[in-house]
Amino acid sequence: DQQVKQNSPSLSVQEGRISILNCDYTNSMFDYFLWYKKYPAEGPTFLISISSIKDKNEDGRFTVFLNKSAKHLSLHIVPSQPGDSAVYFCAAYINNDMRFGAGTRLTVKP
Amino acid sequence: DAEITQSPRHKITETGRQVTLACHQTWNHNNMFWYRQDLGHGLRLIHYSYGVQDTNKGEVSDGYSVSRSNTEDLPLTLESAASSQTSVYFCASSADGYNEQFFGPGTRLTVL
Repeated sequence: DQQVKQNSPSLSVQEGRISILNCDYTNSMFDYFLWYKKYPAEGPTFLISISSIKDKNEDGRFTVFLNKSAKHLSLHIVPSQPGDSAVYFCAAYINNDMRFGAGTRLTVKP
Repeated sequence: DAEITQSPRHKITETGRQVTLACHQTWNHNNMFWYRQDLGHGLRLIHYSYGVQDTNKGEVSDGYSVSRSNTEDLPLTLESAASSQTSVYFCASSADGYNEQFFGPGTRLTVL
């Protein structure tokens, strides 16, 4: 059973516009959430995280929003840049167990 | 600079063979993890370790084993490789459970 779901396998946006990547989870006990970015032939790299006691965390162009009642997580990238083109994974953590979504491929067009 | 490395980067083997994938980190992290990445599944946890002599099963541990004899290394062994184990394998490490995990570059394993 996939406890973390990214229902959009791909997303395409214009450079300078906002990218919104979404993630849903089923286990309300998850208490920490992370976003990773992955380029081809490389390992994922950490982007931003949020604790379940918060509803927003910002780091430069990246903001993560958490809606616990809806069990929904989103990553906003503003403004989007061509270098942001990658696969983005959301992950949820509880009790030594990290579960990843299947990933969303973001393409930012110049 | 501290880093995490995996070897080999590519491996082709035959069904039934034993295969060991190496993972080495110089972060001095206590926690180390092995994941596999398959299309449509994202990353799935195979095994993890929270210190020397500690190993734990993850979500998809059947057919895999690990051992942790020092802080730096967590080799992943496929006892008898199966075609279903064809995948990209990532090793990761972290300072503690809630900290970000640092990933290696991955090993692409093909089992024929």
